[in-house]
Amino acid sequence: DAGITQSPRHKVTETGTPVTLRCHQTENHRYMYWYRQDPGHGLRLIHYSYGVKDTDKGEVSDGYSVSRSKTEDFLLTLESATSSQTSVYFCAISDRGHNEQFFGPGTRLTVL
Amino acid sequence: EDQVTQSPEALRLQEGESSSLNCSYTVSGLRGLFWYRQDPGKGPEFLFTLYSAGEEKEKERLKATLTKKESFLHITAPKPEDSATYLCAVQLISWGKLQFGAGTQVVVTP
Repeated sequence: DAGITQSPRHKVTETGTPVTLRCHQTENHRYMYWYRQDPGHGLRLIHYSYGVKDTDKGEVSDGYSVSRSKTEDFLLTLESATSSQTSVYFCAISDRGHNEQFFGPGTRLTVL
Repeated sequence: EDQVTQSPEALRLQEGESSSLNCSYTVSGLRGLFWYRQDPGKGPEFLFTLYSAGEEKEKERLKATLTKKESFLHITAPKPEDSATYLCAVQLISWGKLQFGAGTQVVVTP
């Protein structure tokens, strides 16, 4: 497996609370991504980063923010979690500009 | 609107029974098409990238092919360990990020 870890692996929280998910890589890859995976929708891109402090929106970015202060860490924050954000979140990395991406193990988030 | 559709949604095979999965796309300019395998509770694992119509890639019992409208993932003489969900994704010329289909869940029984 590529050196990607995600934390926490599971989280249950309540509507309205802030949540931060962390992705950590040891591959020194330039690109990092956050996806969510829901039944019937496949993987959908939330945000991505093309370098330290360089981020951009994906197709489902509303309600999410990201930060990347170091090459190895990419944080996804839900400022005020809603039940519609219950999902499995995957981080991915790439060193070839949106080409082959390598995925982390995922975080299962439940918002009650 | 750009779309990626995978069929069937689910496929149950006997060990040794070859079959094909389909990934059809309607996009405005394809840069590349990607296949991934995903086991339950894990992240997707990269399999292949195809860039042009007529291109084929092989890995063990899997072969991926690409036409101008669709891609096929052929599974030859599958084994139970080939059971997984197979995802395809397209990369557009205009927007380089990947757009995924919903996947095909394959179960291979002994």
